[in-house]
Amino acid sequence: GNSVTQMEGPVTLSEEAFLTINCTYTATGYPSLFWYVQYPGEGLQLLLKATKADDKGSNKGFEATYRKETTSFHLEKGSVQVSDSAVYFCALSGGTSGTYKYIFGTGTRLKVLA
Amino acid sequence: KAGVTQTPRYLIKTRGQQVTLSCSPISGHRSVSWYQQTPGQGLQFLFEYFSETQRNKGNFPGRFSGRQFSNSRSEMNVSTLELGDSALYLCASSYSQETQYFGPGTRLLVL
Repeated sequence: GNSVTQMEGPVTLSEEAFLTINCTYTATGYPSLFWYVQYPGEGLQLLLKATKADDKGSNKGFEATYRKETTSFHLEKGSVQVSDSAVYFCALSGGTSGTYKYIFGTGTRLKVLA
Repeated sequence: KAGVTQTPRYLIKTRGQQVTLSCSPISGHRSVSWYQQTPGQGLQFLFEYFSETQRNKGNFPGRFSGRQFSNSRSEMNVSTLELGDSALYLCASSYSQETQYFGPGTRLLVL
């Protein structure tokens, strides 16, 4: 079945550091891929998405490229801020399985220090 | 447009009781999905409703049930609560079969 694997956290960075959070997936066909962010005490917010191979999703300085050849969708940001501290979830939906059900990764906690 | 709303935001129950949670989707969205989030198990899919019909279901016991009304609002019910049901319950709505938009969640504590 479909699955998503995220790098283990927590990830601790200094302000203005470069961020990479790895995400790989297993799915048949061409699923849609998503990154969601969850701030303390809140629900999940859509950060960015990509629906086909080589698409790049971007938002608020975050980027991720849908890599079919490596089945990856790594999240990057060039310069993190303290306000980026949150839990980040990679997710997929669809593919040839036909299911609309989202599959989430386990989440990666990011802590940015001033 | 107003976002997804969930009520109540916080709830305390005791073992054996039942609970009903409510979710109002974004206007125009006909699909509503429910998730359980716990520190140990992460985000787990409960079920999805579309046009008042359950379209997908996760691997949860029958104590967990849901329904959707003609205005797309959805409720989920948990009967005979157990301590392990303590969690953040998230609702998400969608217009198309892709992007889901989440509500703030209902935090349930079972004592």
